[in-house]
Amino acid sequence: EPEVTQTPSHQVTQMGQEVILRCVPISNHLYFYWYRQILGQKVEFLVSFYNNEISEKSEIFDDQFSVERPDGSNFTLKIRSTKLEDSAMYFCASSEGRGFTYGYTFGSGTRLTVV
Amino acid sequence: AQKVTQAQTEISVVEKEDVTLDCVYETRDTTYYLFWYKQPPSGELVFLIRRNSFDEQNEISGRYSWNFQKSTSSFNFTITASQVVDSAVYFCALSKRQTGANNLFFGTGTRLTVIP
Repeated sequence: EPEVTQTPSHQVTQMGQEVILRCVPISNHLYFYWYRQILGQKVEFLVSFYNNEISEKSEIFDDQFSVERPDGSNFTLKIRSTKLEDSAMYFCASSEGRGFTYGYTFGSGTRLTVV
Repeated sequence: AQKVTQAQTEISVVEKEDVTLDCVYETRDTTYYLFWYKQPPSGELVFLIRRNSFDEQNEISGRYSWNFQKSTSSFNFTITASQVVDSAVYFCALSKRQTGANNLFFGTGTRLTVIP
């Protein structure tokens, strides 16, 4: 069964450093998403991406965050200057069409630890 | 605004017991979609079910069943004859219908522990 692949599974970075989290969505999917889950808390929406541009973003997705689809297969989330509170599990998801119709497939997540 | 409430933070049951996980939602939209996801200890999010607001039929899939009631804005999830492998955090989520991509609003989750 096709799956969303995220790398790395765990990343440790120093506060103030830039990190790039990588995702390979399912190949025929058109909509891409990033979500965040601070340890023990709920999963929160960050951003959605469609047709090579941001479709929607939450209040969490401030200027230190950016997303990119650099080629036909990867979808990345960049955090420019990490803070301690950015420590969380980051999930990438994709959907074939609009998520409410086709459903959302999530990756296994990248656990980001900022020290 | 969308909101999903899972009032049960943690539930423990003994294996083979039935357990119901509650989900109450708020939305002003007339068309919306409800989801349940399972997050096992390994951390990934596993899709369980999607239901649109026009389909109030209950659904059964093996030991899992879902009860959708628009009158009470609830979408509850029952596991029959629970097993240790059911131990996980379960999230209820809501998606509105709009143009462009759509995101999920998650509840805070219910941690289910099934004791052997």
